[in-house]
Amino acid sequence: NAGVTQTPKFRVLKTGQSMTLLCAQDMNHEYMYWYRQDPGMGLRLIHYSVGEGTTAKGEVPDGYNVSRLKKQNFLLGLESAAPSQTSVYFCASGTAAYNEQFFGPGTRLTVL
Amino acid sequence: AQRVTQPEKLLSVFKGAPVELKCNYSYSGSPELFWYVQYSRQRLQLLLRHISRESIKGFTADLNKGETSFHLKKPFAQEEDSAMYYCALSPSGNTGKLIFGQGTTLQVKP
Repeated sequence: NAGVTQTPKFRVLKTGQSMTLLCAQDMNHEYMYWYRQDPGMGLRLIHYSVGEGTTAKGEVPDGYNVSRLKKQNFLLGLESAAPSQTSVYFCASGTAAYNEQFFGPGTRLTVL
Repeated sequence: AQRVTQPEKLLSVFKGAPVELKCNYSYSGSPELFWYVQYSRQRLQLLLRHISRESIKGFTADLNKGETSFHLKKPFAQEEDSAMYYCALSPSGNTGKLIFGQGTTLQVKP
């Protein structure tokens, strides 16, 4: 099992460009999450999903959109990237039965 | 407000010394609390949870509801314990969401 995978690993964008980060999990987990990690701020929840076809806002959702069309995939979109979105993005998945999250390796995004 | 606070950005100790990583939380209900760890070049992973009352890699953490704390302790630090440690709170409700603290880097010197 690959667990949680994230694509791409690194990306550099110019201000105003758009991109989509892909998260995939092969553990049949119901729940999926997107976090951003910034120095001194810890991990902050951007959006999350409790099942296929459902999404909800987390702590810092502005400037991001998400979609969960398939249970195993959770996409994070930046429609118009801003320098403030320079960060490391982590995807995670989990289940209702066992309250533990499994994390992907992260995507390092730089917006110039 | 739901909040997790880790007051130390960096904790530096010598090998064999005791370690205490502090975590305080603010939550009106009965939270579930966790410690996650991120070793260099590895993924963030669960270290322990308060419900299990277990000891993992020699670490323990006791939930003190009166002081709203969940400090992580180890009596004798090892160099391989060097990592970033995050305290996290899961609010009640069936979403599995986590609220993370700012993280503490533990540096164990030889």
